[in-house]
Amino acid sequence: AQSVAQPEDQVNVAEGNPLTVKCTYSVSGNPYLFWYVQYPNRGLQFLLKYITGDNLVKGSYGFEAEFNKSQTSFHLKKPSALVSDSALYFCAVSPISGGYNKLIFGAGTRLAVHP
Amino acid sequence: GAGVSQTPSNKVTEKGKYVELRCDPISGHTALYWYRQSLGQGPEFLIYFQGTGAADDSGLPNDRFFAVRPEGSVSTLKIQRTERGDSAVYLCASSPGTAGNEQFFGPGTRLTVL
Repeated sequence: AQSVAQPEDQVNVAEGNPLTVKCTYSVSGNPYLFWYVQYPNRGLQFLLKYITGDNLVKGSYGFEAEFNKSQTSFHLKKPSALVSDSALYFCAVSPISGGYNKLIFGAGTRLAVHP
Repeated sequence: GAGVSQTPSNKVTEKGKYVELRCDPISGHTALYWYRQSLGQGPEFLIYFQGTGAADDSGLPNDRFFAVRPEGSVSTLKIQRTERGDSAVYLCASSPGTAGNEQFFGPGTRLTVL
């Protein structure tokens, strides 16, 4: 079965410190990979994606993610966390078939950045 | 420009009733998706439209769920004989349609079945 795992329910980090939110996946082939963020009472917002090419992709708000094919991982990172980064983060993968993106989401990781 | 909008934002209904949830995608987006997000979980795929046709409805949980997109723009998710287990946030997303494009999500409709 195809699945996405976000092993941490919550990640706590001090403001100014680097952060990592982990994601691994089990999907056949070479899927497209995405990160979305969900703020309270707001919809999911796209952060970044990996389609092909450089394993390090940069996205919105200073976030980046590193694709590792051998470990089937796509960890989200940011060099210096802000309190305003506190939110719920979802990793999603899309199997490449049919020419569309049927997203399979992880359960989400809550990021708490403390002043 | 305007993003994806969904109405109503909240819907409370009684077990056994029929409900309709509406999605207005971003203008020009040919692909439209419905997802369901239960408390504490990530969204789960329900159905995908390319234009007017449902190209993939493999995520619909049973035949009580149905969705339409008659003119290739607005979509309606219809749930018959609602059950308490249908309570969730229903999310709609649209994209330009080509694989690899990110999806733009609406704020969702929170459905509560009493």
